[in-house]
Amino acid sequence: NFMLAQPHSVSESPGKTVTISCTRNSGSIASNNVQWYQQRPGSAPTIVIFEDNQRPSGVPDRFSGSIDNSSNSASLTISGLKTEDEADYYCQSSEEFGGGTKLTVL
Amino acid sequence: DVQLVESGGGLVQPGGSLRLSCAASGFTFKSFWMSWVRQAPGKGLEWVANIKQDGSEKYYVDSVRGRFTISRDNARNSLYLQMNSLSVEDTAIYYCARVLGAWITGRWFDPWGQGTLVTVSS
Repeated sequence: NFMLAQPHSVSESPGKTVTISCTRNSGSIASNNVQWYQQRPGSAPTIVIFEDNQRPSGVPDRFSGSIDNSSNSASLTISGLKTEDEADYYCQSSEEFGGGTKLTVL
Repeated sequence: DVQLVESGGGLVQPGGSLRLSCAASGFTFKSFWMSWVRQAPGKGLEWVANIKQDGSEKYYVDSVRGRFTISRDNARNSLYLQMNSLSVEDTAIYYCARVLGAWITGRWFDPWGQGTLVTVSS
């Protein structure tokens, strides 16, 4: 088994770009696809990135995903930040979830 | 619209049992793996269990194996989670989710239901 580590929190201003990392502690990050979920307070998670870098229909192209084999990590990048992007974000690979990152847009 | 609606949560004493249900609509339920994922209050997401399309394969997180049983009724488009010997550590919102993707390369959960709260307390 492996674990996925995320920063506890990040903050950025509206209109800026933020990147959230997800680092796998054993095995290759490329071994299994990485997904990202957005969870607003009081709501169920919704997927924003699947298969490392694919966006479901309806998710704005401000959201993008990537993996970096050198750091064994995945990243979620949100550009042109909006206040509505304020939420918790979770990475997932196989049956493992990262601990979640609270994004504050201030 | 693809929709998942959970029910059956509530307050139960330690050592007690509870059965959660998830009603699926808007997709061919029998064609998909299904999962339960939970979230303790103020905490992150934890995968709990998976079940194959025909129910022939089931997988559990170590902390619930032997106490929880996942099952499904494809005729009723329903997913279930029987939870026995509950402890305070099982207190969480329980979400059902459809599983997409391939078993080898990676799978994901989409969509999720709204969740049902299970509280284990004396």
